[in-house]
Amino acid sequence: NAGVMQNPRHLVRRRGQEARLRCSPMKGHSHVYWYRQLPEEGLKFMVYLQKENIIDESGMPKERFSAEFPKEGPSILRIQQVVRGDSAAYFCASSPNPPRGGQPQHFGDGTRLSIL
Amino acid sequence: ELKVEQNPLFLSMQEGKNYTIYCNYSTTSDRLYWYRQDPGKSLESLFVLLSNGAVKQEGRLMASLDTKARLSTLHITAAVHDLSATYFCAEGGATNKLIFGTGTLLAVQP
Repeated sequence: NAGVMQNPRHLVRRRGQEARLRCSPMKGHSHVYWYRQLPEEGLKFMVYLQKENIIDESGMPKERFSAEFPKEGPSILRIQQVVRGDSAAYFCASSPNPPRGGQPQHFGDGTRLSIL
Repeated sequence: ELKVEQNPLFLSMQEGKNYTIYCNYSTTSDRLYWYRQDPGKSLESLFVLLSNGAVKQEGRLMASLDTKARLSTLHITAAVHDLSATYFCAEGGATNKLIFGTGTLLAVQP
């Protein structure tokens, strides 16, 4: 029973390059959330998606960041023209239905992004 | 701005002692979550608290929720070294997003 799968676990990019982070939710889960964790800080919400729809992107920077969750395949968080400040751990979480039902979000192991 | 505050930020305690971590949140949410994170690892769900007065216990950890005071507590009883980790509370936001506190780094000394 695979959990939330994220890849890669570690990603190194130079300033100006693009970073693509992938997330496959738990089987049967159709809600995906992306969070960013800076060193020594808590997680900050970025975006909430269902299949083919962005539900809430209020935590996503307006420029350079985008997210998608296509009908087939994993959810992708894309960062264009990366800068040093993008260095962080990016976590994906999934849930089977809106958490109002009391279900916790299940987290992947994260992608540690380092910008040189 | 929605805010979740935890205290203390860092807690060093001896094995066998008791202590409480406090989590204050700013909205009228009725959903409060506690997670544990080990260094370099993901977040593990500990408790989901859904109503005023909710109390849940698992081993040496007990969590409670007071929605009127907008306060949740995580009580540690007779701490052991294996409990060393960072503990986060998170409030369930309007569109299902989680709003996390700053975390409490717990170090249990032998």
